[in-house]
Amino acid sequence: DTEVTQTPKHLVMGMTNKKSLKCEQHMGHRAMYWYKQKAKKPPELMFVYSYEKLSINESVPSRFSPECPNSSLLNLHLHALQPEDSALYLCASSALGLAGAHEQYFGPGTRLTVT
Amino acid sequence: AQTVTQSQPEMSVQEAETVTLSCTYDTSESDYYLFWYKQPPSRQMILVIRQEAYKQQNATENRFSVNFQKAAKSFSLKISDSQLGDAAMYFCAYSPPGAGSYQLTFGKGTKLSVIP
Repeated sequence: DTEVTQTPKHLVMGMTNKKSLKCEQHMGHRAMYWYKQKAKKPPELMFVYSYEKLSINESVPSRFSPECPNSSLLNLHLHALQPEDSALYLCASSALGLAGAHEQYFGPGTRLTVT
Repeated sequence: AQTVTQSQPEMSVQEAETVTLSCTYDTSESDYYLFWYKQPPSRQMILVIRQEAYKQQNATENRFSVNFQKAAKSFSLKISDSQLGDAAMYFCAYSPPGAGSYQLTFGKGTKLSVIP
């Protein structure tokens, strides 16, 4: 089973709202990722968690706050977003080995619209 | 810094025919990983095929195969017997080993249309 699930599928929020995106995997992967993808562009890495610890933050604004409650779950908390933050947010996970991270498996994404 | 180039923004193929998508990359590493991901209009990024640079044998997955030319830094994807469900954006991606392996470098993508 190579399934990564994400909720919700779609989210519309105002600039003063607080919302959260959720991601779950049951493949035993110990690395989890958040990406942002604009239309017709490749995904851009935002955060990486390795063994439930934040290992990479690609200079993402503080209005995005990741959380990894356990090895299967990954959240992205959103607050005071801007219209330019509207995008597809993808979660991914990968196994970890001696040579580093293995191939990443992606979820279906959350389409976020900020009004 | 590593770069991945997909020189064909759009391509089309007749159903049941064969199509090849191009990808070149630049790296100073001797060992690394290469991937092709497919993203249909449904949005989900699906791993199509992976290649480890130290393996000379080209990877294959059913109708999908790669032509990996390490010296030329080329990694093309061949889709045989194209089906309507193959219509998607295809991204080539590179990953170094070790600490950098978390960070995929993607190409800009090739949009593939399949003509019935």
